[in-house]
Amino acid sequence: EAQVTQNPRYLITVTGKKLTVTCSQNMNHEYMSWYRQDPGLGLRQIYYSMNVEVTDKGDVPEGYKVSRKEKRNFPLILESPSPNQTSLYFCASSQLRVDGANVLTFGAGSRLTVL
Amino acid sequence: SQQGEEDPQALSIQEGENATMNCSYKTSINNLQWYRQNSGRGLVHLILIRSNEREKHSGRLRVTLDTSKKSSSLLITASRAADTASYFCATSSQGGSEKLVFGKGTKLTVNP
Repeated sequence: EAQVTQNPRYLITVTGKKLTVTCSQNMNHEYMSWYRQDPGLGLRQIYYSMNVEVTDKGDVPEGYKVSRKEKRNFPLILESPSPNQTSLYFCASSQLRVDGANVLTFGAGSRLTVL
Repeated sequence: SQQGEEDPQALSIQEGENATMNCSYKTSINNLQWYRQNSGRGLVHLILIRSNEREKHSGRLRVTLDTSKKSSSLLITASRAADTASYFCATSSQGGSEKLVFGKGTKLTVNP
């Protein structure tokens, strides 16, 4: 089944304890992206990647790192999490089309709480 | 930067009625998409309409686009309880088409 898999789905951690949220897709998609969703703010893009070893900042990159060493994986790293990073995180991927349309397939989400 | 803004923020209807949600955006777009999100789950793509299209249908969904007013509407006909979800528009700007910017969503409740 074509899908985007995120882990963990739920995590409670403490301020300053490094964590990684993994994201893997099995559709050979070139484009991958991380979003966070907060009440009243909608979805905001954190980082995105156009292909292996190509990453770029989205609208809210502060406090996050990413890497794209393999096409299928795009982990999100929080080096020193803070309570304002408590959020629902989504990974998404797509095959970029000739017409420029970017139709995303989303993972199920990772709910992160930082105490 | 937020591009799309959905209206209304919340909508409650009875099963069988039609639901209409609107999206307004600020800059010229390449295309506009609608996504659905069931409570706390991942978003699912519903339909895409290009900037040179005015109307598109998919099953019970009808999307219109008015580029002169910078607005789009999503109509769900003969709604069902299973349509209860949040609906988001996402715009792709001209010249940066891989970047999608999402609105804050319309929360639709369909009462049985």
